[in-house]
Amino acid sequence: DVKVTQSSRYLVKRTGEKVFLECVQDMDHENMFWYRQDPGLGLRLIYFSYDVKMKEKGDIPEGYSVSREKKERFSLILESASTNQTSMYLCASSSRDRGPLQPQHFGDGTRLSIL
Amino acid sequence: DQQVKQNSPSLSVQEGRISILNCDYTNSMFDYFLWYKKYPAEGPTFLISISSIKDKNEDGRFTVFLNKSAKHLSLHIVPSQPGDSAVYFCAASDRNGNNRLAFGKGNQVVVIP
Repeated sequence: DVKVTQSSRYLVKRTGEKVFLECVQDMDHENMFWYRQDPGLGLRLIYFSYDVKMKEKGDIPEGYSVSREKKERFSLILESASTNQTSMYLCASSSRDRGPLQPQHFGDGTRLSIL
Repeated sequence: DQQVKQNSPSLSVQEGRISILNCDYTNSMFDYFLWYKKYPAEGPTFLISISSIKDKNEDGRFTVFLNKSAKHLSLHIVPSQPGDSAVYFCAASDRNGNNRLAFGKGNQVVVIP
């Protein structure tokens, strides 16, 4: 079974802090993704990566950056946290082998509160 | 602009009856469609998918129907069970193979025992 592990289930930070959310997958997947989920808005893609050191902007990249130094690890960085970044953050990974129908596998999420 | 739309945000259905969830999309480049199920405090889990070369895909109690000309798909769950109570997300991707998904806002399904 694919395992996507997010480092924290709950996190509370202060406005202006630099925040790191970590995600690790154990299936040697090439693709990794960061989403945020907000009530009434569904899942929105922040950033994704097709391979080590590669990154692409998603639909809402403003205020975020990412790092992919190793294949199994994809980090989301809030450069200067703001209250409107309070959300549920979800990491996902998928393999390139089966093409577009390859499902993404999700972690259990990090509920981040910015005070 | 929302490329994948799920209206009727919540649905209540009696155990044993059929649940029907609808999804519409606007991007004609979408060729692949997936449904995910999400319980509170857990990540979404993959449920079923369909390629645009098909109009139906069935997996146990779950069937997805695709009407490409109407840019519409639906998920049928029959019979519905209490464990099906969850949020269901429709997602779509295009044929360039990068596996990037566009998600709808989700439908809350409550199955009443």
